[in-house]
Amino acid sequence: AQSVTQLGSHVSVSEGALVLLRCNYSSSVPPYLFWYVQYPNQGLQLLLKYTTGATLVKGINGFEAEFKKSETSFHLTKPSAHMSDAAEYFCAVSPMNRDDKIIFGKGTRLHILP
Amino acid sequence: EPEVTQTPSHQVTQMGQEVILRCVPISNHLYFYWYRQILGQKVEFLVSFYNNEISEKSEIFDDQFSVERPDGSNFTLKIRSTKLEDSAMYFCASSSPGPLNTEAFFGQGTRLTVV
Repeated sequence: AQSVTQLGSHVSVSEGALVLLRCNYSSSVPPYLFWYVQYPNQGLQLLLKYTTGATLVKGINGFEAEFKKSETSFHLTKPSAHMSDAAEYFCAVSPMNRDDKIIFGKGTRLHILP
Repeated sequence: EPEVTQTPSHQVTQMGQEVILRCVPISNHLYFYWYRQILGQKVEFLVSFYNNEISEKSEIFDDQFSVERPDGSNFTLKIRSTKLEDSAMYFCASSSPGPLNTEAFFGQGTRLTVV
């Protein structure tokens, strides 16, 4: 069984400040890990994913996430927040080599303060 | 760029009526999914579909729900008798098999409102 926990349903950061969105997962098999972003009134867009190999994954819009197996974490970061980053962010997990189910976390709404 | 398309973008229906939500997955994808997101809540897995059959479904996906791939391009979700609590955004997604290609592409969603 797999699950995802996102700490903080709402996170506020000032424009230009570091963005850190936390995600912890549990999985009985090696996982694939994802971050999706949902802008207001839009669908889900993949930001980045970890499958195998390098544990630091770079995604679109300057975001990156690091897979830490020992901590079962996959936190999302961006060095400098931009107003356009305001959105809902979902961490997700799926079993390695299986595409038949993706489990989402509850989401974290990121607010950018001017 | 290939994309998953969903129609309609918004559907309003009366309680007890049947609705069909339509999706056109990316053409070379083999896995298809439906998810839903009740307003203000998380995205929930409903069902996955592979090789013309359901591969996995959640507890939410009860007998009122069914999925079909009627013609090799469309993927539909049918709710037989809608309830007020079925009001949600429904997302269709598709993916291709294989570890390096694992990524589900999502449609823009259909907002279902049951009145």
